Amino acid sequence: QVQLVESGGGVVQPGGSLRLSCTASGFTFVTYAMHWVRQAPGKELEWVAAIRQDENKKDYLDSVRGRFAISRDNSKNTLYLQMDSLRAEDTALYYCARGAAQGRTMAEGFDYWGQGTLVTVSS
Amino acid sequence: DVVMTQSPLSLPVTLGQPASISCTSSQSLLYSDGNTYLTWFQQRPGQSPRRLIYKVSNRDSGVPDRFSGSGSGTDFTLKISRVEAEDVGVYYCMQGIYWPRTFGQGTKLEIK
Repeated sequence: QVQLVESGGGVVQPGGSLRLSCTASGFTFVTYAMHWVRQAPGKELEWVAAIRQDENKKDYLDSVRGRFAISRDNSKNTLYLQMDSLRAEDTALYYCARGAAQGRTMAEGFDYWGQGTLVTVSS
Repeated sequence: DVVMTQSPLSLPVTLGQPASISCTSSQSLLYSDGNTYLTWFQQRPGQSPRRLIYKVSNRDSGVPDRFSGSGSGTDFTLKISRVEAEDVGVYYCMQGIYWPRTFGQGTKLEIK
């Protein structure tokens, strides 16, 4: 069955960095786009970033562009989110979600989600 | 950014009664391929989001048929024909054709 397992969250000071990972199993990872979505405590869902199957195109939320970098290692079935210059407002539970299958429009997807990893930015 | 507006934000419902959630987008969600990319998610307390409905009205595998989606263009509705205890949680709509992807504020369904 499809599984997505996030890791790498923790407590970091403002201005610090973290790298989140999302390990996928149960499907052919290389053939799917992937997303990061976050949820601040008690708040709604907020899409953060997306990456196509072959890494040739990435999209970001404006407030994280230039600070966050999404990447993937298809040989390891793993999605990453490098987060630099972290701010208090980045505090959230970060989910990875499966995107569209190869050959399908990026408008599809979000059919499987991980359990999330918590990032807390605080001094 | 495309704004997704849900109403109501709080929805107390008696068990066995119907429930309805509205979602309005600030731009049409009709894509160039002829499909409309509006998705509904359920987030039960303490759980990750779960996709319920995609492309307005298509139920995901395992989703009870008491859930249905409808709408077009900018106005969409999620209906639950008879609410059960397991339906408690927050429901979100999301648009899938504009960057950034955007979600509604969420509608919290509780049992009266």
